Amino acid sequence: DIQMTQSPSTLTASVGDRVTITCRASESIGSRLAWYQQKPGKAPNLLIYKASTLQSGVPSRFSGSGSGTEFTLTINSLQPDDFATYYCQQYSSLYNFGQGTKLEIK
Amino acid sequence: EVQLVESGGNLVKPGGSLRLSCEASGFTFDTYAMSWVRQAPGKGLEWVSTISLSGGTPYYADSVKGRFTISRDNSINKLFLQMNSLSVEDTAVYFCAKIAVAGSRGPADYWGQGTLVLVSS
Repeated sequence: DIQMTQSPSTLTASVGDRVTITCRASESIGSRLAWYQQKPGKAPNLLIYKASTLQSGVPSRFSGSGSGTEFTLTINSLQPDDFATYYCQQYSSLYNFGQGTKLEIK
Repeated sequence: EVQLVESGGNLVKPGGSLRLSCEASGFTFDTYAMSWVRQAPGKGLEWVSTISLSGGTPYYADSVKGRFTISRDNSINKLFLQMNSLSVEDTAVYFCAKIAVAGSRGPADYWGQGTLVLVSS
Protein backbone atom coordinates (compact mmCIF):
# COMPACT_ATOMS: atom_id res chain seq x y z
CA ASP A 1 0.00 0.00 0.00
CA ILE A 2 1.14 3.54 -0.72
CA GLN A 3 1.22 5.61 2.46
CA MET A 4 0.57 9.35 2.39
CA THR A 5 2.04 11.60 5.05
CA GLN A 6 0.95 15.21 5.44
CA SER A 7 2.68 17.95 7.39
CA PRO A 8 2.00 19.81 9.47
CA SER A 9 -1.00 18.24 11.22
CA THR A 10 -2.12 21.66 12.39
CA LEU A 11 -1.29 25.04 10.92
CA THR A 12 -2.16 28.39 12.50
CA ALA A 13 -2.26 31.44 10.26
CA SER A 14 -3.91 34.81 9.78
CA VAL A 15 -6.13 36.21 7.05
CA GLY A 16 -3.88 37.40 4.24
CA ASP A 17 -1.06 34.94 4.98
CA ARG A 18 0.45 32.53 2.48
CA VAL A 19 0.57 28.92 3.71
CA THR A 20 2.00 25.69 2.39
CA ILE A 21 1.00 22.11 3.22
CA THR A 22 3.23 19.20 2.28
CA CYS A 23 2.25 15.66 1.32
CA ARG A 24 4.75 12.85 0.88
CA ALA A 25 4.08 9.48 -0.73
CA SER A 26 5.88 6.31 0.37
CA GLU A 27 6.68 5.56 -3.28
CA SER A 28 6.42 7.42 -6.56
CA ILE A 29 2.90 8.25 -7.70
CA GLY A 30 3.81 10.42 -10.66
CA SER A 31 1.31 13.25 -10.66
CA ARG A 32 -1.66 11.20 -9.48
CA LEU A 33 -2.39 13.37 -6.48
CA ALA A 34 -5.44 15.35 -5.45
CA TRP A 35 -6.12 17.89 -2.72
CA TYR A 36 -9.45 18.31 -0.93
CA GLN A 37 -10.85 20.86 1.49
CA GLN A 38 -13.31 19.75 4.17
CA LYS A 39 -15.32 21.87 6.57
CA PRO A 40 -16.95 20.45 9.73
CA GLY A 41 -20.06 18.41 9.01
CA LYS A 42 -19.61 18.68 5.24
CA ALA A 43 -18.37 16.45 2.46
CA PRO A 44 -14.89 17.05 1.06
CA ASN A 45 -14.50 19.43 -1.86
CA LEU A 46 -12.00 18.71 -4.66
CA LEU A 47 -9.53 21.56 -5.08
CA ILE A 48 -6.69 20.22 -7.22
CA TYR A 49 -6.03 17.07 -9.25
CA LYS A 50 -3.05 15.77 -11.26
CA ALA A 51 -0.95 17.50 -8.60
CA SER A 52 -1.36 20.98 -10.04
CA THR A 53 -4.60 21.27 -12.04
CA LEU A 54 -7.18 23.54 -10.41
CA GLN A 55 -10.68 22.09 -10.29
CA SER A 56 -13.30 24.25 -11.98
CA GLY A 57 -14.68 26.93 -9.69
CA VAL A 58 -11.80 26.82 -7.20
CA PRO A 59 -10.21 30.24 -6.52
CA SER A 60 -6.82 30.87 -8.10
CA ARG A 61 -5.22 31.56 -4.72
CA PHE A 62 -5.02 27.76 -4.40
CA SER A 63 -2.15 26.06 -6.20
CA GLY A 64 -0.48 22.68 -6.17
CA SER A 65 2.93 21.44 -7.20
CA GLY A 66 5.17 18.42 -7.09
CA SER A 67 5.59 15.00 -8.63
CA GLY A 68 6.94 11.62 -7.66
CA THR A 69 6.84 11.51 -3.88
CA GLU A 70 6.69 15.12 -2.69
CA PHE A 71 3.81 17.52 -3.21
CA THR A 72 2.67 20.88 -1.87
CA LEU A 73 -0.57 22.78 -1.61
CA THR A 74 -0.15 26.54 -1.36
CA ILE A 75 -2.85 29.01 -0.45
CA ASN A 76 -2.02 32.65 -1.18
CA SER A 77 -3.68 35.48 0.68
CA LEU A 78 -5.75 33.38 3.08
CA GLN A 79 -9.43 34.24 3.24
CA PRO A 80 -11.76 33.57 6.21
CA ASP A 81 -13.50 30.83 4.18
CA ASP A 82 -10.20 28.92 3.80
CA PHE A 83 -9.95 27.84 7.43
CA ALA A 84 -10.74 24.14 7.16
CA THR A 85 -9.05 20.75 7.03
CA TYR A 86 -7.09 19.77 3.93
CA TYR A 87 -6.38 16.24 2.69
CA CYS A 88 -4.15 14.90 -0.02
CA GLN A 89 -5.10 11.69 -1.84
CA GLN A 90 -3.10 9.47 -4.16
CA TYR A 91 -4.87 7.60 -6.94
CA SER A 92 -1.90 5.89 -8.54
CA SER A 93 -2.44 2.56 -6.80
CA LEU A 94 -5.91 2.22 -5.35
CA TYR A 95 -6.65 5.28 -3.24
CA ASN A 96 -5.21 6.57 0.04
CA PHE A 97 -5.60 9.82 1.91
CA GLY A 98 -3.14 11.70 4.03
CA GLN A 99 -4.09 12.17 7.66
CA GLY A 100 -5.20 15.76 7.12
CA THR A 101 -3.96 19.25 7.98
CA LYS A 102 -6.19 21.48 10.06
CA LEU A 103 -5.77 25.14 9.14
CA GLU A 104 -6.72 27.31 12.09
CA ILE A 105 -7.11 31.03 12.39
CA LYS A 106 -4.57 32.88 14.52
CA GLU B 1 -26.84 19.21 -11.42
CA VAL B 2 -24.98 16.20 -10.05
CA GLN B 3 -26.57 14.80 -6.91
CA LEU B 4 -25.55 11.85 -4.76
CA VAL B 5 -27.88 10.87 -1.92
CA GLU B 6 -26.84 8.17 0.53
CA SER B 7 -29.22 6.19 2.71
CA GLY B 8 -29.23 3.13 4.89
CA GLY B 9 -27.08 4.28 7.79
CA ASN B 10 -28.27 3.12 11.18
CA LEU B 11 -27.37 1.82 14.63
CA VAL B 12 -26.28 -1.81 14.43
CA LYS B 13 -24.82 -4.25 16.94
CA PRO B 14 -21.28 -5.63 16.56
CA GLY B 15 -21.33 -8.58 14.19
CA GLY B 16 -24.36 -7.24 12.39
CA SER B 17 -24.91 -6.25 8.78
CA LEU B 18 -26.08 -3.16 6.97
CA ARG B 19 -26.60 -2.17 3.34
CA LEU B 20 -25.94 1.38 2.23
CA SER B 21 -27.37 2.87 -0.95
CA CYS B 22 -26.42 5.91 -2.99
CA GLU B 23 -28.82 7.30 -5.56
CA ALA B 24 -27.13 9.26 -8.33
CA SER B 25 -28.58 11.84 -10.70
CA GLY B 26 -27.46 14.61 -13.01
CA PHE B 27 -24.81 12.63 -14.90
CA THR B 28 -24.44 9.49 -17.00
CA PHE B 29 -24.02 7.06 -14.14
CA ASP B 30 -22.69 4.09 -16.13
CA THR B 31 -19.80 6.20 -17.49
CA TYR B 32 -18.07 6.76 -14.16
CA ALA B 33 -16.44 4.64 -11.49
CA MET B 34 -17.85 5.22 -8.02
CA SER B 35 -16.37 5.04 -4.53
CA TRP B 36 -17.25 4.83 -0.88
CA VAL B 37 -15.17 6.85 1.59
CA ARG B 38 -15.71 6.91 5.34
CA GLN B 39 -14.84 9.20 8.20
CA ALA B 40 -14.88 8.04 11.81
CA PRO B 41 -15.97 10.67 14.36
CA GLY B 42 -13.25 13.28 14.72
CA LYS B 43 -10.91 11.42 12.36
CA GLY B 44 -9.66 11.76 8.81
CA LEU B 45 -10.94 10.41 5.52
CA GLU B 46 -10.49 6.70 4.76
CA TRP B 47 -11.02 5.26 1.31
CA VAL B 48 -13.22 2.13 1.56
CA SER B 49 -14.01 0.80 -1.90
CA THR B 50 -14.28 1.66 -5.59
CA ILE B 51 -16.17 -0.04 -8.39
CA SER B 52 -15.60 0.25 -12.12
CA LEU B 53 -18.24 1.73 -14.41
CA SER B 54 -19.56 -1.67 -15.45
CA GLY B 55 -19.44 -3.08 -11.95
CA GLY B 56 -17.08 -5.86 -12.95
CA THR B 57 -14.02 -4.70 -11.02
CA PRO B 58 -14.30 -3.85 -7.32
CA TYR B 59 -11.43 -2.63 -5.15
CA TYR B 60 -11.31 -2.64 -1.35
CA ALA B 61 -9.23 -1.25 1.46
CA ASP B 62 -7.55 -3.98 3.51
CA SER B 63 -9.60 -2.92 6.54
CA VAL B 64 -12.87 -4.02 4.89
CA LYS B 65 -11.78 -6.72 2.43
CA GLY B 66 -13.79 -9.90 2.89
CA ARG B 67 -16.49 -8.15 4.92
CA PHE B 68 -17.79 -5.40 2.60
CA THR B 69 -19.11 -5.78 -0.94
CA ILE B 70 -19.55 -2.88 -3.33
CA SER B 71 -22.00 -3.16 -6.21
CA ARG B 72 -23.96 -0.99 -8.58
CA ASP B 73 -27.14 -1.16 -10.63
CA ASN B 74 -26.70 1.05 -13.66
CA SER B 75 -30.33 0.55 -14.69
CA ILE B 76 -31.50 2.52 -11.65
CA ASN B 77 -28.42 4.73 -11.11
CA LYS B 78 -27.62 3.30 -7.69
CA LEU B 79 -24.47 2.35 -5.84
CA PHE B 80 -24.50 -0.04 -2.89
CA LEU B 81 -22.26 -1.13 -0.04
CA GLN B 82 -23.11 -4.36 1.75
CA MET B 83 -21.38 -4.38 5.11
CA ASN B 84 -21.12 -7.62 7.11
CA SER B 85 -19.40 -8.57 10.36
CA LEU B 86 -19.45 -4.98 11.50
CA SER B 87 -17.26 -3.89 14.38
CA VAL B 88 -17.08 -0.70 16.44
CA GLU B 89 -14.14 0.36 14.26
CA ASP B 90 -16.56 0.63 11.33
CA THR B 91 -18.47 3.44 13.03
CA ALA B 92 -18.26 6.38 10.65
CA VAL B 93 -20.02 8.65 8.24
CA TYR B 94 -19.99 6.91 4.87
CA PHE B 95 -19.77 9.09 1.77
CA CYS B 96 -20.62 8.07 -1.76
CA ALA B 97 -18.39 9.77 -4.34
CA LYS B 98 -18.22 10.03 -8.12
CA ILE B 99 -14.84 9.59 -9.79
CA ALA B 100 -14.04 12.67 -11.88
CA VAL B 101 -12.71 11.06 -15.04
CA ALA B 102 -15.08 9.09 -17.25
CA GLY B 103 -14.04 5.47 -17.57
CA SER B 104 -10.87 5.83 -15.55
CA ARG B 105 -9.40 6.13 -12.08
CA GLY B 106 -9.00 9.51 -10.54
CA PRO B 107 -10.10 11.81 -7.72
CA ALA B 108 -13.70 12.29 -6.64
CA ASP B 109 -15.34 15.46 -7.91
CA TYR B 110 -18.80 15.03 -6.40
CA TRP B 111 -19.74 13.68 -2.99
CA GLY B 112 -22.96 12.88 -1.17
CA GLN B 113 -23.81 14.34 2.21
CA GLY B 114 -22.94 11.10 4.00
CA THR B 115 -24.86 8.56 6.05
CA LEU B 116 -23.95 7.62 9.62
CA VAL B 117 -23.23 4.02 10.57
CA LEU B 118 -23.01 3.50 14.32
CA VAL B 119 -21.86 0.11 15.53
CA SER B 120 -22.56 -0.32 19.22
CA SER B 121 -23.96 -2.84 21.63
